[in-house]
Amino acid sequence: EAGVAQSPRYKIIEKRQSVAFWCNPISGHATLYWYQQILGQGPKLLIQFQNNGVVDDSQLPKDRFSAERLKGVDSTLKIQPAKLEDSAVYLCASSRDRDETQYFGPGTRLLVL
Amino acid sequence: GENVEQHPSTLSVQEGDSAVIKCTYSDSASNYFPWYKQELGKRPQLIIDIRSNVGEKKDQRIAVTLNKTAKHFSLHITETQPEDSAVYFCAASGGNNRLAFGKGNQVVVIP
Repeated sequence: EAGVAQSPRYKIIEKRQSVAFWCNPISGHATLYWYQQILGQGPKLLIQFQNNGVVDDSQLPKDRFSAERLKGVDSTLKIQPAKLEDSAVYLCASSRDRDETQYFGPGTRLLVL
Repeated sequence: GENVEQHPSTLSVQEGDSAVIKCTYSDSASNYFPWYKQELGKRPQLIIDIRSNVGEKKDQRIAVTLNKTAKHFSLHITETQPEDSAVYFCAASGGNNRLAFGKGNQVVVIP
């Protein structure tokens, strides 16, 4: 079974630029999550999708972050404009359904200069 | 929301000894408690989890215990090996199905 795929693996941008990350979950997984992991900390949930609907985006900075999962499979997370404090690893995870085991992708390491 | 704390932040053990990491949580409605292992530059990987209707779960050298009354749960690694060196994250999920992670414990196994 293929795992969660993410791209790109690394991204360096200047502040105020925009960036987008892509995630392909494990086949058949209905629930998809985006996490932000700042160096030395645990992952923090940004947004959770159930199929193509948002079930929790309470911790997403909506003035600059947006995410979508249009067909209930792949998802993109966008930051526009980026700030220095957005430098982190962005992890995508998926689970068969809500409240089931979450499997993480390799993450995208973002550096904002 | 749920607040999860881990202790200690760093743990060094001799190879072959046991390691114990303790986590506390704040939301009494939390009912799912996974542990993830993250090696440097790699993805978090689930190593064991427990639900609130069970007090203890074991998988080979790894075990997790849960005390709902005290709102804490612990990871036990026996016969530690160098490949156990990593950062370990505990997490708790409550009624809102949101997984809240602790800050992580760096475990160093000294050969």
